Amino acid sequence: DIQMTQSPSSLSASVGDRVTITCQASQDISNYVNWYQQKPGKAPKLLIYDASNLQTGVPSRFSGSGSGTDFTFTISSLQAEDIATYYCQQYDNLRLFTFGPGTKVDMK
Amino acid sequence: EVELVQSGAEVKKPGESLKISCKGSGYSFTSYWIGWVRQMPGKGLEWMGIIYPGDSDTRYSPSFQGQVTISADKSINTAYLQWSSLKASDTAMYYCARGAGPFDPWGQGTLVTVSS
Repeated sequence: DIQMTQSPSSLSASVGDRVTITCQASQDISNYVNWYQQKPGKAPKLLIYDASNLQTGVPSRFSGSGSGTDFTFTISSLQAEDIATYYCQQYDNLRLFTFGPGTKVDMK
Repeated sequence: EVELVQSGAEVKKPGESLKISCKGSGYSFTSYWIGWVRQMPGKGLEWMGIIYPGDSDTRYSPSFQGQVTISADKSINTAYLQWSSLKASDTAMYYCARGAGPFDPWGQGTLVTVSS
């Protein structure tokens, strides 16, 4: 199984801050990483697919990068509505998937 | 609009069986994989398995293999997740989602509570 580690597990930031979350895979997964946002009581929402592609309708302050085993998710300027838990997720050509443990982002 | 609508919340006793559903609309149901994801109370997302309704090709996470059954009825654009004997530890929110790489969109979730 491919394991995903994600850090930090939580962070506090102010409006306008740059927020960075990292995800590391236990083996090379090319660019097969997606990022999701989950607000309390809601279903997850896809933000970034295949490491760096912004899903349609998602604000441009969200971005992703990386390949191989190391991936980064960035919010360039944190807004109040971005308070949520963020998950990375990897997939492979065998249709097997793993989510990272999540990063909870709240307001300082 | 592409949409997945899940069946309503369930309260069951340990040992009972259960089948929850996920109905797709707004797209060709047989052309996209549907996955199932568990979220236990206060915890993260866990991928359970995935099915291709076009030919019922199904894959399971090793953690859930043998614990649940995933199926689909393409005549009514619906995927299912079922248990033959529920345990208290199955208490969780269960989501379906379209896709086999990125998951999008997601259903609204079905809360399953198992308690004696």
